[in-house]
Amino acid sequence: AQKITQTQPGMFVQEKEAVTLDCTYDTSDPSYGLFWYKQPSSGEMIFLIYQGSYDQQNATEGRYSLNFQKARKSANLVISASQLGDSAMYFCAMREDTGRRALTFGSGTRLQVQP
Amino acid sequence: DVKVTQSSRYLVKRTGEKVFLECVQDMDHENMFWYRQDPGLGLRLIYFSYDVKMKEKGDIPEGYSVSREKKERFSLILESASTNQTSMYLCASISTSPSSYNEQFFGPGTRLTVL
Repeated sequence: AQKITQTQPGMFVQEKEAVTLDCTYDTSDPSYGLFWYKQPSSGEMIFLIYQGSYDQQNATEGRYSLNFQKARKSANLVISASQLGDSAMYFCAMREDTGRRALTFGSGTRLQVQP
Repeated sequence: DVKVTQSSRYLVKRTGEKVFLECVQDMDHENMFWYRQDPGLGLRLIYFSYDVKMKEKGDIPEGYSVSREKKERFSLILESASTNQTSMYLCASISTSPSSYNEQFFGPGTRLTVL
């Protein structure tokens, strides 16, 4: 069965600094995708970044990068140059490519960016 | 832009009432999902659907049912609402087209309170 673990319930970071949000996963499927979503206080889920299990390079999207270490089954999100608007809940999720296309989510990390 | 809409942002119901949560997507997506979100638990899959009139149980289907009579609409039904169904409910959809395979699009969520 799939499982996603986010061990940091809450994180603080100073504005303009970089922050890493941890995510480890467990799956027996060789083909899968890893996702990060941001959920601000308004509640909507905002897709940030995707990493496929066969992708050789770490995914990057603007200030977001995904530090993918396949052997360690980790998919940490790195946010560079934090902004006040980055304060939100962040969810790591996984989808196995064989089978249902639903996402399995971690419990989330609440990030607070301080001025 | 893909748009997923949900019928209500906030809903208050009484124990024992039958509750309908409606979700509509406008991009002809085949796959649709219902999740519930609770603090410390992340998002958990209730039901999903691969196509019209098809439905599959997710990880926590007890107390819920679904209906998909049209491709764009996926309804979640609480046959007899209970207080432990107080939660945030999120609908999502995804296409099977490879060009948009990677992202699951979410609706704004319905915060349901059962008194």
